[in-house]
Amino acid sequence: QVQLQESGPGLVKPSQTLSLTCTVSGGSISNGGYYWSWIRQRPGKGLEWIGYIYYSGSSYYNPSLKSRLTISVDTSKNQFSLKLSSVTAADTAVYYCARSDYFDSSAPFDYWGQGTLVTVSS
Amino acid sequence: DIQLTQSPSFLSASVGDRVTITCRASQGISSYLAWYQQKPGKAPKVLIYAASTLQSGVPLRFSGSGSGTEFTLTISSLQPEDFATYYCQQLNSYPLTFGGGTKVEIK
Repeated sequence: QVQLQESGPGLVKPSQTLSLTCTVSGGSISNGGYYWSWIRQRPGKGLEWIGYIYYSGSSYYNPSLKSRLTISVDTSKNQFSLKLSSVTAADTAVYYCARSDYFDSSAPFDYWGQGTLVTVSS
Repeated sequence: DIQLTQSPSFLSASVGDRVTITCRASQGISSYLAWYQQKPGKAPKVLIYAASTLQSGVPLRFSGSGSGTEFTLTISSLQPEDFATYYCQQLNSYPLTFGGGTKVEIK
């Protein structure tokens, strides 16, 4: 059974960089076959897809965040990470990591982490 | 970006009711649509993908239909565990986008 677990600071100061890691268990990122995404949900709001990475390192970012965003993968640790720079209060959200099938373009996010709340505040 | 508009945004219903939620896309997305259920404090859970394919393990009372720009999620007989917020998501083009959500509450 695949499991995803987000980790990282729960509090980040404005203008600093938000850094989160998603650790995958029950399956190897380096086997390929899946996109690994970040999704966020602002308090009381809907869902926003942030971007994905493939095991090879190829990635795609939401243009609304692209200038501040870096998603990377560490196959040796079976992890992928998110860095979002120059954060403001608008970046306060629950951040989820999730998986979707690389070969099936209609495939949904079938496995999710439990989510981690990141608050941007001084 | 493709905009997804869900209606209604809030729905009050009773156990046993038939419930229908609509998701409209700002442009055609073929059948590249998924539906998720989210309960408070939990991650979303996929119910339907490819507009009408039931995800493994999801009860048969959930069904999806539609293509192009208009889609529906139907719960044939609402159960107590179905009170939650439901989101549609398009997978036709990047960036992937979600609808604003429909909260289903107990009448």
